[in-house]
Amino acid sequence: EAGVAQSPRYKIIEKRQSVAFWCNPISGHATLYWYQQILGQGPKLLIQFQNNGVVDDSQLPKDRFSAERLKGVDSTLKIQPAKLEDSAVYLCASRKGGGGKNEQYFGPGTRLTVT
Amino acid sequence: DQQVKQNSPSLSVQEGRISILNCDYTNSMFDYFLWYKKYPAEGPTFLISISSIKDKNEDGRFTVFLNKSAKHLSLHIVPSQPGDSAVYFCAASGSGGSNYKLTFGKGTLLTVNP
Repeated sequence: EAGVAQSPRYKIIEKRQSVAFWCNPISGHATLYWYQQILGQGPKLLIQFQNNGVVDDSQLPKDRFSAERLKGVDSTLKIQPAKLEDSAVYLCASRKGGGGKNEQYFGPGTRLTVT
Repeated sequence: DQQVKQNSPSLSVQEGRISILNCDYTNSMFDYFLWYKKYPAEGPTFLISISSIKDKNEDGRFTVFLNKSAKHLSLHIVPSQPGDSAVYFCAASGSGGSNYKLTFGKGTLLTVNP
């Protein structure tokens, strides 16, 4: 079974520029998450999708961050304009859905550096 | 307000000995707990989990213990191997809808010395 795919793996941009990250979850996983991991911290949830609907975006800085999951499969996270404090690893995770176990499976992440 | 705390930033053990990683939580609504292992430049890898209805779950060399009254869980690795050297994250979640989101601790860097 293929894991969660993310691209690009690394991105360097200047502040005020825009950037987009792509995620393809594990096949059949209904729930998709985007997390931000700042150096020295644990991952922090930005947004949660169930199929193509948003379940929780309470911690997403909506003035500059946006995300979509068209057709309930792939997802894109965008930052526009980027700030220095957005430098972090952006992790995508997916979960099969339904009740019970809550194991989430993570992709390799995209390391963003804003200069 | 840090709801999941891993108070030891690092831990060093000898190969073959036991590694014990600790985690505390404050939110009483958490009812599912997970441990993830992370190597540099990779995403976190799921290791083991435990539901609040249990106090122990074992998978090979890895055992997780949950003490609900103390809001404390621990991960035991026996015997420890050099390949276990990584950052270990404790995570917790509730149930249903947005409650399935994971809240992570800051991680503990485990070093297993040959």
